[in-house]
Amino acid sequence: GAVVSQHPSRVICKSGTSVKIECRSLDFQATTMFWYRQFPKQSLMLMATSNEGSKATYEQGVEKDKFLINHASLTLSTLTVTSAHPEDSSFYICSALGPAGGETQYFGPGTRLLVL
Amino acid sequence: ELKVEQNPLFLSMQEGKNYTIYCNYSTTSDRLYWYRQDPGKSLESLFVLLSNGAVKQEGRLMASLDTKARLSTLHITAAVHDLSATYFCAAGKPGSARQLTFGSGTQLTVLP
Repeated sequence: GAVVSQHPSRVICKSGTSVKIECRSLDFQATTMFWYRQFPKQSLMLMATSNEGSKATYEQGVEKDKFLINHASLTLSTLTVTSAHPEDSSFYICSALGPAGGETQYFGPGTRLLVL
Repeated sequence: ELKVEQNPLFLSMQEGKNYTIYCNYSTTSDRLYWYRQDPGKSLESLFVLLSNGAVKQEGRLMASLDTKARLSTLHITAAVHDLSATYFCAAGKPGSARQLTFGSGTQLTVLP
């Protein structure tokens, strides 16, 4: 089946630094990927839609200059949290639409970010 | 704005019992998804429901969709401990159905 990976699985950084999270579709091409954020015991909130070769579409309330998204290839999207602060600590999950424009979104294993 | 509500938020049930999780959404959506999440893990796709009256079953789980009532249900039959997890429903946004709005999740605990 379709597999999506994320790297790193967890990261701890100091306040003010930037962190890059990678999302890869391992065995299929994904023109569209999504980035979500999940706080403990809460649901997933869509942050942005990442489209290969074009600018990401951000949800209302998500700062595009803080959460930089790059989808440079059909198998890789990156999320960079710039100048991270403790309130950015969260579980970040990416997903990709399945092969051949399928309806199912396949989720990565998530990246747990802790900002000290 | 599309809103998705799940209930109950927490559910403890005995092994062997049946129960239903409900998912209501506020505006028209032509696709409804159910996912499972284990603690500390990401989401596993369970069902994709694309039309009114759609019913899908996998093992002890059965999902249905009523687009007129804007309601989807996830029915659990003869629960077993392995089904303990958090279950999320998600609806596709109007006009951009592949962008999902998630419900708050139902934390299911199956007791021996």
